Amino acid sequence: AQSVTQLGSHVSVSEGALVLLRCNYSSSVPPYLFWYVQYPNQGLQLLLKYTSAATLVKGINGFEAEFKKSETSFHLTKPSAHMSDAAEYFCAVSDPNTGGFKTIFGAGTRLFVKA
Amino acid sequence: DADVTQTPRNRITKTGKRIMLECSQTKGHDRMYWYRQDPGLGLRLIYYSFDVKDINKGEISDGYSVSRQAQAKFSLSLESAIPNQTALYFCATSDLTSGSTDEQFFGPGTRLTVL
Repeated sequence: AQSVTQLGSHVSVSEGALVLLRCNYSSSVPPYLFWYVQYPNQGLQLLLKYTSAATLVKGINGFEAEFKKSETSFHLTKPSAHMSDAAEYFCAVSDPNTGGFKTIFGAGTRLFVKA
Repeated sequence: DADVTQTPRNRITKTGKRIMLECSQTKGHDRMYWYRQDPGLGLRLIYYSFDVKDINKGEISDGYSVSRQAQAKFSLSLESAIPNQTALYFCATSDLTSGSTDEQFFGPGTRLTVL
């Protein structure tokens, strides 16, 4: 069975500061991993994904995440936060062997950016 | 134009009423999903469909039913709405052609309130 844990339901950073959103996963097989972002009153959109290629994955809006198998982690980072980054972020895991029909989402982390 | 659309965007109804939420997509994807989002719980899968003739229950299907009227349309019904079905509902699509990683594409959501 797969699972995802996002550490911290709320994270607050100052504009210009480092953003670090934590995600740990559990999977019996090499997984696909995703970060999605949800802006207010919108659906989720993909930020980035790991699909067993490079372990450091770059996404949109300056975000990146590193797959660390030994730590079962896939933390999301951005060097310098911008006000427009304020949103809710979801980590997700899927099992490639199942055809990906069952993607498991984390509970979400809401990012606040202070001016 | 949006690739995945949901109607209505907001709905307030009373306990015991039958409600239908509709989803349409222009992405040409075979796979469609219905999720509900509750604060602190992330997204939970209600139903998913791999094609018009294939419907599958997800994690929390009790009290819900679905209809896949065409490749592009997937409706969610609440047979007799109850207050704990108050939530944000999302439709999503994905495509599992060769090389796909089951990235999902989300509609803007329907906010349902059951009084």
